[in-house]
Amino acid sequence: GAGVSQTPSNKVTEKGKYVELRCDPISGHTALYWYRQSLGQGPEFLIYFQGTGAADDSGLPNDRFFAVRPEGSVSTLKIQRTERGDSAVYLCASSSLGGGANGYTFGSGTRLTVV
Amino acid sequence: SQQGEEDPQALSIQEGENATMNCSYKTSINNLQWYRQNSGRGLVHLILIRSNEREKHSGRLRVTLDTSKKSSSLLITASRAADTASYFCATDGETSGSRLTFGEGTQLTVNP
Repeated sequence: GAGVSQTPSNKVTEKGKYVELRCDPISGHTALYWYRQSLGQGPEFLIYFQGTGAADDSGLPNDRFFAVRPEGSVSTLKIQRTERGDSAVYLCASSSLGGGANGYTFGSGTRLTVV
Repeated sequence: SQQGEEDPQALSIQEGENATMNCSYKTSINNLQWYRQNSGRGLVHLILIRSNEREKHSGRLRVTLDTSKKSSSLLITASRAADTASYFCATDGETSGSRLTFGEGTQLTVNP
C-alpha cells in the first residue's frame, strides 16, 4: 500500500482482556517497528522486526506483550491480561533497511484504552 | 532521563515568525531525525541529518547538528498556522541499532 496501515484506529477494552493490534507496512519494507506513546510523551520503542524475525525486542515491557510477523509483512502486536497502564497510542513504522535518507514511515496509530 | 530531550517543551509564536526548537542527546549517534505529529497520532518524517553533517536544509526547515555538544536545532522559517504541531527529535546510534530513541517533544503553536 501507499502508507503504513494500522487497525483498529481505536480500541476500548476491559481490564484483563486480550487485544491484538495490526500493522500493514509499506510493501517491500523489510524493517518494521512498534512504538508506544503515552499522553504528552515521546514514542517509546517496543520491538523491531527485520523480515520475519524479531531483531530487537528489548523494549517490550513484560511478558504480557508479544509481537509476530510470520510472513515478513503484516505484524500483530498482542497484549494479554491488559492493564489500565497499557492505555496509550501504539504506533507502527516501517523502513527499508536502515531507514535511509527518507526516515521511517509511521502509521496513524491505534489508540488503546483499557477501562 | 530520556535520550533526546527537546527544549522548549512548548512554544507559541505569531504567523510569519521563525520557530527554533532544540534537542539534546546523551550517547553517540549515527543519525538524528526530526518528526512532526498532529493531534497525537502518526508521525511525519521531516528531515534526517547524519552524524558527519553539520547543517541541512529542506524548504522552510533548517537543521543543525553539533556532535561535540550532542545537540541539534530545528528552525522553521516564516511559520504558518498549519505548522502547529508537536515536533520530536529522534536518534539512532551505534549501540541502539536502527531503533529510534525519541525525546518528549516541543508543542509548537503558531497563532494566525
